[in-house]
Amino acid sequence: GAGVSQSPRYKVAKRGQDVALRCDPISGHVSLFWYQQALGQGPEFLTYFQNEAQLDKSGLPSDRFFAERPEGSVSTLKIQRTQQEDSAVYLCASSLALGTQSTDTQYFGPGTRLTVL
Amino acid sequence: KQEVTQIPAALSVPEGENLVLNCSFTDSAIYNLQWFRQDPGKGLTSLLLIQSSQREQTSGRLNASLDKSSGRSTLYIAASQPGDSATYLCAVTVYKLSFGAGTTVTVRA
Repeated sequence: GAGVSQSPRYKVAKRGQDVALRCDPISGHVSLFWYQQALGQGPEFLTYFQNEAQLDKSGLPSDRFFAERPEGSVSTLKIQRTQQEDSAVYLCASSLALGTQSTDTQYFGPGTRLTVL
Repeated sequence: KQEVTQIPAALSVPEGENLVLNCSFTDSAIYNLQWFRQDPGKGLTSLLLIQSSQREQTSGRLNASLDKSSGRSTLYIAASQPGDSATYLCAVTVYKLSFGAGTTVTVRA
């Protein structure tokens, strides 16, 4: 079956530009997560949706970062006025349930590699 | 804040040798612990999930143990192959995942 997909796979932006990254989770998955992975590091949590509700945005590094999931399916991560430190791989993951059970597994997309020049 | 540490950061072994990857975490209030594999330019593939009530989990040549009270997990890969070359990440779950920085493994043919 189809997994988590993300687009674009690669994005180059000039400093100051706005970018939008898209995530299509596995159909029917309730939970959706965004992570940021800097080069040579493990992914860092950004934000969490349960259906269309954004329940945790504690990992968003600044108010330039904004995420939405208006219909409880596709999600978009938007970064305004990009800076060089925003360069990273942005990973999206989805989970069938609420993520609070010990058996819950998150399924990851291939990521979007953002390079800010 | 949960801190996850993986040791070593990199490992190079000849084909056939067993691999031992270590992971430690500071807060034992977790739902589960997962080991992932990441190939260059690719997303994450889940290898094993150990529930918080479990002590170990096995899949083929992979075996992972969990000692929640001491905040440790170990991933064993038996009889390594060149195709095992990748970065291995451990992550602990409290609905969101907290990852270590990974161990990059190279298996030499």
